[in-house]
Amino acid sequence: AQKVTQAQTEISVVEKEDVTLDCVYETRDTTYYLFWYKQPPSGELVFLIRRNSFDEQNEISGRYSWNFQKSTSSFNFTITASQVVDSAVYFCALSEENTGNQFYFGTGTSLTVIP
Amino acid sequence: DAGITQSPRHKVTETGTPVTLRCHQTENHRYMYWYRQDPGHGLRLIHYSYGVKDTDKGEVSDGYSVSRSKTEDFLLTLESATSSQTSVYFCAATSQIHSRPNTGELFFGEGSRLTVL
Repeated sequence: AQKVTQAQTEISVVEKEDVTLDCVYETRDTTYYLFWYKQPPSGELVFLIRRNSFDEQNEISGRYSWNFQKSTSSFNFTITASQVVDSAVYFCALSEENTGNQFYFGTGTSLTVIP
Repeated sequence: DAGITQSPRHKVTETGTPVTLRCHQTENHRYMYWYRQDPGHGLRLIHYSYGVKDTDKGEVSDGYSVSRSKTEDFLLTLESATSSQTSVYFCAATSQIHSRPNTGELFFGEGSRLTVL
């Protein structure tokens, strides 16, 4: 079973629109860690954020915000006032405390911001 | 700069040929990983290492082997490459696993694009 599901394969928005990327995870662990990575067209993978399961506080960083909801097993990512530079593939990932040292990635959401 | 370099960055080879990809890190990370990235599949774990000479299989390990004889190097070998192994391969590393309050994020190399004809 897929531990991390990113149901949105591709999203296109017009510049300055807000966009939310969905991430749903599955785990039986009580302690786990969630991540978002960005992969711009140049191909490198860039770390964006880490969230612990015992810290449900949402976070905002500039135009980026993350909504962590344990009740729905979701860790969604919102970009406010999108820009062309936000065009990239975004990956959500999960690491579980009790199942070893693995990181599980979703299949990614490709975001295109149209100028 | 996360100090992770992969070589070669691009390689074209023929079916049946052995191929070795190298990952080198300068940050003394304990944990190292090899992923492959394919359209529609995201990043899938091939093998990982939790220390020198300590390795384990990931979800897509068939046809791949790894070795880690020293902390800084993690080698991925395709004993006999097949066209299904055409992919982009990423090495990743981290130092901190499941240490409250945070587990470390993965640092990634630049990727190695392998084409098997």
